[in-house]
Amino acid sequence: GAVVSQHPSWVICKSGTSVKIECRSLDFQATTMFWYRQFPKQSLMLMATSNEGSKATYEQGVEKDKFLINHASLTLSTLTVTSAHPEDSSFYICSARDRNRLNYGYTFGSGTRLTVV
Amino acid sequence: AQSVTQLDSQVPVFEEAPVELRCNYSSSVSVYLFWYVQYPNQGLQLLLKYLSGSTLVKGINGFEAEFNKSQTSFHLRKPSVHISDTAEYFCAVSVWNRDDKIIFGKGTRLHILP
Repeated sequence: GAVVSQHPSWVICKSGTSVKIECRSLDFQATTMFWYRQFPKQSLMLMATSNEGSKATYEQGVEKDKFLINHASLTLSTLTVTSAHPEDSSFYICSARDRNRLNYGYTFGSGTRLTVV
Repeated sequence: AQSVTQLDSQVPVFEEAPVELRCNYSSSVSVYLFWYVQYPNQGLQLLLKYLSGSTLVKGINGFEAEFNKSQTSFHLRKPSVHISDTAEYFCAVSVWNRDDKIIFGKGTRLHILP
């Protein structure tokens, strides 16, 4: 089945530094990838949608300059949290889908726990 | 715009008892519906999905859900739960060929009591 690999699974960084999170589709071409943020005991909030080779579409209230998304290939999307602050600490999850799949599947990564100190 | 409402934030149930997790959606167009499970500090795993056809959908781990268009519901059921079913369950909705976004409900935490 479809597998999405997300790295790192956890990261601790100092306030003011940048952190990059990778999301890779291992056995399919991800024409679209999604980035979600999840606070403790809450639901997943969609941050942005990225299509290969084009600019990401951000949800209302998400700072484009702070959360940089790159989807340069059909198997890789990256989320960079720039100048991270403690309030950016959260669980980030990516999702990828292949529109060519007849069973309409979204596959999720295992998530990245970001802690900014 | 689409939205999803999960009516219960927490559901306690005794082991081997049946359970139903409720989900209602709102949309002006036809939607696709999903149930996902999330174990602590992990990503989401698809339990089942409704795209079209039979309104009773069977998924993994013994779960099933029934799509009810008139009541705009997609409740998740399991006839007999196990301690390993303790997790967070999310109902989600999407519209095919639109912007492909999948919108999640707030989640229901299933507590299995021994």
